Amino acid sequence: KQEVTQIPAALSVPEGENLVLNCSFTDSAIYNLQWFRQDPGKGLTSLLLIQSSQREQTSGRLNASLDKSSGRSTLYIAASQPGDSATYLCAVRPSGYSTLTFGKGTMLLVSP
Amino acid sequence: DAGVIQSPRHEVTEMGQEVTLRCKPISGHNSLFWYRQTMMRGLELLIYFNNNVPIDDSGMPEDRFSAKMPNASFSTLKIQPSEPRDSAVYFCASSAEEYNEQFFGPGTRLTVL
Repeated sequence: KQEVTQIPAALSVPEGENLVLNCSFTDSAIYNLQWFRQDPGKGLTSLLLIQSSQREQTSGRLNASLDKSSGRSTLYIAASQPGDSATYLCAVRPSGYSTLTFGKGTMLLVSP
Repeated sequence: DAGVIQSPRHEVTEMGQEVTLRCKPISGHNSLFWYRQTMMRGLELLIYFNNNVPIDDSGMPEDRFSAKMPNASFSTLKIQPSEPRDSAVYFCASSAEEYNEQFFGPGTRLTVL
């Protein structure tokens, strides 16, 4: 059974710092991996989708990498802003399955 | 374009009552997913449909839960009878194809007293 772990569970940084959020998964046979952002009391917003054949994806200040063989993905946020404060969730889609397995998330607080 | 629409946004009910949650997926999307989010267990898949057909309902906790998708633009998740442990946020998501990027609705916060 696929398990997804996100470390740290919470992170607090001052504005302007570059930061990395980590995601690890137990079964490397994945179809793709998706990073989401969730604001308090809100739904999930899709940030980036990485296919298993890709090494990274970029969107603005966000860069997600994937190392399938080691079962790891990172989300890099450059020049963090208070508006980046949210919970970031990593979700893995195992090969042959349509469904996503989610990590518990990393709660990020960027202080001005 | 409208995203995934869910109603109601909040529901407070008493134990034993029937609860129906509603979802309208993004137009043109073929796959629809129902998730439940709690502090203890995080996000869990309950059931998903592809082309209106239930494909995997292994996440449905018990017979009290049922889901339908009568057409491509509407799905319901029903709990009957509801129990306090069903209190959670229920999300609906849709994707263009089964393996594509999923887009989530705003969720329904359910409280069962």
